[in-house]
Amino acid sequence: KNEVEQSPQNLTAQEGEFITINCSYSVGISALHWLQQHPGGGIVSLFMLSSGKKKHGRLIATINIQEKHSSLHITASHPRDSAVYICAVGDTDKLIFGTGTRLQVFP
Amino acid sequence: NAGVTQTPKFRVLKTGQSMTLLCAQDMNHEYMYWYRQDPGMGLRLIHYSVGEGTTAKGEVPDGYNVSRLKKQNFLLGLESAAPSQTSVYFCASNRGYTEAFFGQGTRLTVV
Repeated sequence: KNEVEQSPQNLTAQEGEFITINCSYSVGISALHWLQQHPGGGIVSLFMLSSGKKKHGRLIATINIQEKHSSLHITASHPRDSAVYICAVGDTDKLIFGTGTRLQVFP
Repeated sequence: NAGVTQTPKFRVLKTGQSMTLLCAQDMNHEYMYWYRQDPGMGLRLIHYSVGEGTTAKGEVPDGYNVSRLKKQNFLLGLESAAPSQTSVYFCASNRGYTEAFFGQGTRLTVV
């Protein structure tokens, strides 16, 4: 069993829909990261959180340390949100990555 | 700010050839990392460095070597490339336990 599990693996949505991507982990962590990767592109950090909730524009990330679970929400989704979203957790100076959720948002 | 810059962006190698990937960061970060990304798998750590002159093995270090002679540069070497090293390679840097900044990736094909 992978130490970091994401669901769903693939997600399609219509523009404007509310989207949720989930991340569960089985190791002790000091922080959880949400990253975004566009097709053929680099990887960009969206959030780093160790408790509670963070919001940036239409993106919201939450974490429940006791349940070892995090969610990434996208409100009012847009085709430009189409990307792979990656969850990563870290306890020491190294990160363990999930395999990513591929999101496609159609107009 | 350039952030994290990787060169080259694409490369095709023949089996047995050698090459060096260069990662440069201009954020004065102590920590630098080399990952590989393969289909259906999460990013896997090859080697990392916690400061100038230091390196350490990650999850998949075999077939790779690294050097961190200057704080801003982290080099990844393949001494004798194999088809199993066909992958997309990402460099990242941070101050440790902080947000990581990634390069644009290097797509390497070994034939």
